[in-house]
Amino acid sequence: DGGITQSPKYLFRKEGQNVTLSCEQNLNHDAMYWYRQDPGQGLRLIYYSQIVNDFQKGDIAEGYSVSREKKESFPLTVTSAQKNPTAFYLCASSKTGDPYEQYFGPGTRLTVT
Amino acid sequence: GENVEQHPSTLSVQEGDSAVIKCTYSDSASNYFPWYKQELGKRPQLIIDIRSNVGEKKDQRIAVTLNKTAKHFSLHITETQPEDSAVYFCAASRRYSSASKIIFGSGTRLSIRP
Repeated sequence: DGGITQSPKYLFRKEGQNVTLSCEQNLNHDAMYWYRQDPGQGLRLIYYSQIVNDFQKGDIAEGYSVSREKKESFPLTVTSAQKNPTAFYLCASSKTGDPYEQYFGPGTRLTVT
Repeated sequence: GENVEQHPSTLSVQEGDSAVIKCTYSDSASNYFPWYKQELGKRPQLIIDIRSNVGEKKDQRIAVTLNKTAKHFSLHITETQPEDSAVYFCAASRRYSSASKIIFGSGTRLSIRP
């Protein structure tokens, strides 16, 4: 299961609090991604980054923010502006250029009450 | 925007029988079609992929077919086993300048009956 890690596995927060999810990879991949998974809805792209210090919004970026200061790290902040933050969050990485396999982390299950 | 539709959402087959999952995509420029398997509580993992210059690809009990004209692709699992029980996601992707995004289907929950 090495290569891409996420922490913590479970996270609990009170409504109105910002929370940051960690994602680290040692695969030397330039591209990194964040997805949100809800039951019956597959994987929806939040943000992605093709290179350090650059990132683009995905399909559901509202209420989220990211940074890419290092190639290995792509943290996701779930802000209080996200209306339904409770979900399973998956980070992934891949090579760049032509589409390639994405390698997923183990995920973080966030519960906001 | 780009869309991938996946059917059925749930599928139950007898152990030893075959299972077929079908997907359609909207972006005719898509050129990479991976399939991921996600076991309960675990991360999605690639099981097979196909690029648009190929019509079919097989890996032991798993095969994928692609019809670019109809924008359809399918996953076929033969001689199903209990460990095949999982959620399967199809996806379509293409290169956007220097980037590439994968659009996932909504998933199929496959159950293998003993």
